[in-house]
Amino acid sequence: RKEVEQDPGPFNVPEGATVAFNCTYSNSASQSFFWYRQDCRKEPKLLMSVYSSGNEDGRFTAQLNRASQYISLLIRDSKLSDSATYLCVVNPLGSGGYNKLIFGAGTRLAVHP
Amino acid sequence: GAGVSQSPRYKVTKRGQDVALRCDPISGHVSLYWYRQALGQGPEFLTYFNYEAQQDKSGLPNDRFSAERPEGSISTLTIQRTEQRDSAMYRCASSHTSESSYNEQFFGPGTRLTVL
Repeated sequence: RKEVEQDPGPFNVPEGATVAFNCTYSNSASQSFFWYRQDCRKEPKLLMSVYSSGNEDGRFTAQLNRASQYISLLIRDSKLSDSATYLCVVNPLGSGGYNKLIFGAGTRLAVHP
Repeated sequence: GAGVSQSPRYKVTKRGQDVALRCDPISGHVSLYWYRQALGQGPEFLTYFNYEAQQDKSGLPNDRFSAERPEGSISTLTIQRTEQRDSAMYRCASSHTSESSYNEQFFGPGTRLTVL
């Protein structure tokens, strides 16, 4: 079983739609969680960190469920510019206390007019 | 300001040759990471440096892979006797410190390695 699992998609949605991505992780000791965004042929960039209480940044909302080892990302009012691959990322802090990031394979989102 | 830079951006080599990939982190960043990314996959951790010390090399696939960061700034990932299966995008990332588990890692553009 992979340490971080995501639905690869693609999710094809019209502009203005709300779309949700889910992710599960296997290491229950993991302490920090992120969503990174990767555009085609570009490097990954941090979209947002995911905190236990859940957090929101504009149209983006991230949730964490530690009991189920589940992370989600909700995008409201999708824009064409949201088209990208969204990578679920986990830091298994048990491995020395530094930021060794474990990435999922990513979920592709395509927003169409 | 300048981000993470990597060179070369593309490297084509023949099987059996050695290659050296360079990473220049953001100035002042203490922590430096190497990842490998296959097509359609997320980055896979290879190794990590804190200043010049290699703290974790558990992700290096085998002993043909090595990395160094002698002065705590620029790092080189070396692959000896390359094989076709080594073909991938090699990405470097840096972060200000490793003290907090929420320190952002900034990725470079990567080196696309093709082994013929």
